[in-house]
Amino acid sequence: EVQLVESGGGLVKPGGSLRLSCAASGITLSNAWMTWVRQVPGKGLEWVGRIKTKTYGETVDYAAPVKGRFRISRDDSKNMLYLQMNSLKNDDTAVYYCTTQGRFGEWSGEIFHWHYYMDVWGKGTTVRVS
Amino acid sequence: QSVLTQPPSASGTPGQRVSISCSGSSSNIGNNYVYWYQHVPGTAPKLLIYKNDQRPSGVPDRFSGSKSGTSASLAISGLRSEDEADYFCAAWDDSLSAWEFGGGTKLTVL
Repeated sequence: EVQLVESGGGLVKPGGSLRLSCAASGITLSNAWMTWVRQVPGKGLEWVGRIKTKTYGETVDYAAPVKGRFRISRDDSKNMLYLQMNSLKNDDTAVYYCTTQGRFGEWSGEIFHWHYYMDVWGKGTTVRVS
Repeated sequence: QSVLTQPPSASGTPGQRVSISCSGSSSNIGNNYVYWYQHVPGTAPKLLIYKNDQRPSGVPDRFSGSKSGTSASLAISGLRSEDEADYFCAAWDDSLSAWEFGGGTKLTVL
């Protein structure tokens, strides 16, 4: 069974930094694209960003609100995912979840596509910027 | 303001069938697959539906998904008390190059 456990949340002042960690078990992380998603209190979910595997160059994509301030990284040897958050704002207050990305493949004409989606989630870690 | 629109609440009695809608646009639902998640606050969100209408193993067949044009729906039949949770839809948005979620629907089992 795949399990994800986030840690590192806490209270930080505006302009400060925080690093979140996500420990994965039951999965070989080097084979998995990974994602960070957050939920602002009382509101919906917001995608933060994703990191692809080494096979795909460990490419990282970010949501517009965090681009340039947040950095996603991975240490496959430790089965760990990280989210480095800098220049934090009050609006970054949220519960942060890491997720694995599942995938399925399908043919579109003669071209084969992989479709990725958020699959297994952790329970989240709370970040409060105040 | 979420890119995908869901009703904030829904309710039903045990045994009933409930449907939750998710409305988007051509850049997200209209051109990409829809996914549904169940979230009981304080726990890990759980994938219910992927690829519009597919259930991962372990998800009861009481849960079903559908998509038409720029809208999608999650239906729950034979409602149970343990179904009380928040439900979110999600889809990739080609214009924003980002995953977008609905605002969530709080389901109450009366």
